[in-house]
Amino acid sequence: RKEVEQDPGPFNVPEGATVAFNCTYSNSASQSFFWYRQDCRKEPKLLMSVYSSGNEDGRFTAQLNRASQYISLLIRDSKLSDSATYLCVVNMREYGNKLVFGAGTILRVKS
Amino acid sequence: NAGVTQTPKFRVLKTGQSMTLLCAQDMNHEYMYWYRQDPGMGLRLIHYSVGEGTTAKGEVPDGYNVSRLKKQNFLLGLESAAPSQTSVYFCASVRDGVEETQYFGPGTRLLVL
Repeated sequence: RKEVEQDPGPFNVPEGATVAFNCTYSNSASQSFFWYRQDCRKEPKLLMSVYSSGNEDGRFTAQLNRASQYISLLIRDSKLSDSATYLCVVNMREYGNKLVFGAGTILRVKS
Repeated sequence: NAGVTQTPKFRVLKTGQSMTLLCAQDMNHEYMYWYRQDPGMGLRLIHYSVGEGTTAKGEVPDGYNVSRLKKQNFLLGLESAAPSQTSVYFCASVRDGVEETQYFGPGTRLLVL
């Protein structure tokens, strides 16, 4: 079983739509959680951290459920520029601040 | 302030050839990492370093060696390249064991024929 699992998609949505991505992780020792964004043929970039209380950054909302080992990302009012691959990432801090990446979910926003 | 840079950007090797990938960061970060990314598999950790002169194995270390002789540089070596090492290689760094935001280089695309 993969340590971090994501639905690979692709999710094809129209502009203005709301889309949600889910992610599960297997290691209960995981300590920190993130969503990264990766554009085609580019490096991953941090989108936002994920906290148990839930956090919001503009159109993006992230949520963590430690009991279910589940992470989510909600994107409201999708823009064409949101088209990318979204990577769910957990941090195993006790192992050299090691990040474990999901394979990513592809989002395509169409006009 | 260039952040994290990687050289080369692209390379084609023949099976059995060797090469070294260079990662450099100018942020005085302690921790550095080498990942490979293959289709459908996400990024996988090859080796990492928690400080100058230290290295440790990650998830997929076989066929690779690393060195961290200077704090700002982290080298990834392939002694005898194999087609299975065709991949995109990313280097990343983070300030220390407390800070969590990793900064990635632009990647090196390697094709082994």
